[in-house]
Amino acid sequence: GIQVEQSPPDLILQEGANSTLRCNFSDSVNNLQWFHQNPWGQLINLFYIPSGTKQNGRLSATTVATERYSLLYISSSQTTDSGVYFCAALAYSGGGADGLTFGKGTHLIIQP
Amino acid sequence: EADIYQTPRYLVIGTGKKITLECSQTMGHDKMYWYQQDPGMELHLIHYSYGVNSTEKGDLSSESTVSRIRTEHFPLTLESARPSHTSQYLCASSEPLAAPYEQYFGPGTRLTVT
Repeated sequence: GIQVEQSPPDLILQEGANSTLRCNFSDSVNNLQWFHQNPWGQLINLFYIPSGTKQNGRLSATTVATERYSLLYISSSQTTDSGVYFCAALAYSGGGADGLTFGKGTHLIIQP
Repeated sequence: EADIYQTPRYLVIGTGKKITLECSQTMGHDKMYWYQQDPGMELHLIHYSYGVNSTEKGDLSSESTVSRIRTEHFPLTLESARPSHTSQYLCASSEPLAAPYEQYFGPGTRLTVT
């Protein structure tokens, strides 16, 4: 199945800083999603982005499908941005399990 | 945006008990999924369904079972809970016809087996 690798595993920043999180995947994808998991364990959908660029407020994401990577940008970080950011991908082969494969996540801490 | 509900949110139960984790969605999505997440780790797919009367095992082997009798309901059952089942269980759904394969997640059930 598809492999998903995220970097860095941990990131500590001061409030107001910008950050870039990276996700590499091993195969062509039908689905590429970014999530933020809050301290209560809930996964919040950030972007559905199998290709191209999207922006939502201080967050933006770019997926370069031909080079098999995606980037999540967070600008002007706030303490509420803290948590774990997951990248997840699906390469639909028609024969395997039809679910997302998750990376191990980036644990982001924003200090005041 | 999908509305997905999971109950209970937290459950502490003794070894050997039978438990059912509930998952419901109100968007009429055909596809539904269960993922398991150990503390500090990534999520792994344990079950999925394409629709009523369809259930499939995921990538991670699990002793749990699922059923899909109604489109909106996808419960997960453990016949005899063990401490190794302690984990968070997240339910998700997707509608291929709208945003292909985009999945939306419920709030999760955090299970502790003592």
